[in-house]
Amino acid sequence: DAGVTQSPTHLIKTRGQQVTLRCSPISGHKSVSWYQQVLGQGPQFIFQYYEKEERGRGNFPDRFSARQFPNYSSELNVNALLLGDSALYLCASSLAAGGASGNTIYFGEGSWLTVV
Amino acid sequence: AQSVSQHNHHVILSEAASLELGCNYSYGGTVNLFWYVQYPGQHLQLLLKYFSGDPLVKGIKGFEAEFIKSKFSFNLRKPSVQWSDTAEYFCAVMGTGGFKTIFGAGTRLFVKA
Repeated sequence: DAGVTQSPTHLIKTRGQQVTLRCSPISGHKSVSWYQQVLGQGPQFIFQYYEKEERGRGNFPDRFSARQFPNYSSELNVNALLLGDSALYLCASSLAAGGASGNTIYFGEGSWLTVV
Repeated sequence: AQSVSQHNHHVILSEAASLELGCNYSYGGTVNLFWYVQYPGQHLQLLLKYFSGDPLVKGIKGFEAEFIKSKFSFNLRKPSVQWSDTAEYFCAVMGTGGFKTIFGAGTRLFVKA
């Protein structure tokens, strides 16, 4: 079975531009989460979606938004890009939402975003 | 505040040495605990997890971790490391009533052949 797939793998954007990152969860998984990983740090939670509804949001500005589609794939959008948005953006999927006992998240390879 | 603290940012060991990576968390409530590993050039992979029951859990590649509730700790151990264990290791916690997984800053392990 395919794991979590993300696209694009690498991209370069200019300050002020907008970016859309895409994620397909593991087959059968209904929950998708997004994380930002800056070099030298652990992943930071951005959003969680379950059954197409936002279930949680981390401490990120409103420039960050996401959605989940009927096939459970997801997009992360970042508007008005800043240099500090340069990071690895990780998508993770899981069967259930949140901290349900036994729920494990599985990560994709990530999308490297460089803002210049 | 919810947080995860990993004691060492960088660890260098020789092959066959024993490994213990410390992890402490701050979270008010019941938690699920994880260790993830990121090998050079690869994505985050689940190493092991604890949900309930036996506080000593075994994962892949000979790793194990012990949950000590009274110390809010979930330390990772391996009796004898190999060069192929060179990677970055992340401890993570998710509250059973929550929606996000909180990660530590990671520990970079380098094993000398």
